[in-house]
Amino acid sequence: AQSVTQLDSQVPVFEEAPVELRCNYSSSVSVYLFWYVQYPNQGLQLLLKYLSGSTLVKGINGFEAEFNKSQTSFHLRKPSVHISDTAEYFCAVSENSGNTPLVFGKGTRLSVIA
Amino acid sequence: SAVISQKPSRDICQRGTSLTIQCQVDSQVTMMFWYRQQPGQSLTLIATANQGSEATYESGFVIDKFPISRPNLTFSTLTVSNMSPEDSSIYLCSVVRDYLDTQYFGPGTRLTVL
Repeated sequence: AQSVTQLDSQVPVFEEAPVELRCNYSSSVSVYLFWYVQYPNQGLQLLLKYLSGSTLVKGINGFEAEFNKSQTSFHLRKPSVHISDTAEYFCAVSENSGNTPLVFGKGTRLSVIA
Repeated sequence: SAVISQKPSRDICQRGTSLTIQCQVDSQVTMMFWYRQQPGQSLTLIATANQGSEATYESGFVIDKFPISRPNLTFSTLTVSNMSPEDSSIYLCSVVRDYLDTQYFGPGTRLTVL
């Protein structure tokens, strides 16, 4: 069975500072990895995904993530955050194909401070 | 991406009643899923909605409590039956258009049970 661990439930960071949101996963098979963002009172929006190929994945809004198979990690990073990045971020994994349901981590609340 | 709408967007219901949530997609999709997000929590898969047949439920979720229909490739409903305050959550549908595609999420239905 798959599982996803997001090590930080809350991350406060000052505006224009860099941020890293950590995600580790466990699975016995090949996985697809995703980061979703949920702004207050809204649904989930896909930030980026890793399916195969280059381990460094670039997404929307200046975010990127690096897939590290040996460490089973998929950490999300942004070099300079904005107030508008304040949201809940979810790491998720699916097994083998996009047709399998996602298993989500518990989420990380990013709070950007002016 | 797929354009997904959910109705209602939010509702306040009395204990013991039932609510049916609709999920409509702007194009045909292969897979549709229903998730629950309890307050302050991550997303948990309720079931996979199968077109023309019974839904596939995850452990802890049963058809009598969460009946699901999917009459065609663009529409599904989730009913929350005999509601209790513990059912207060955000209910989200998600879709996959075709093999290896990404899951896209609807805006969610915020349910409060009094």
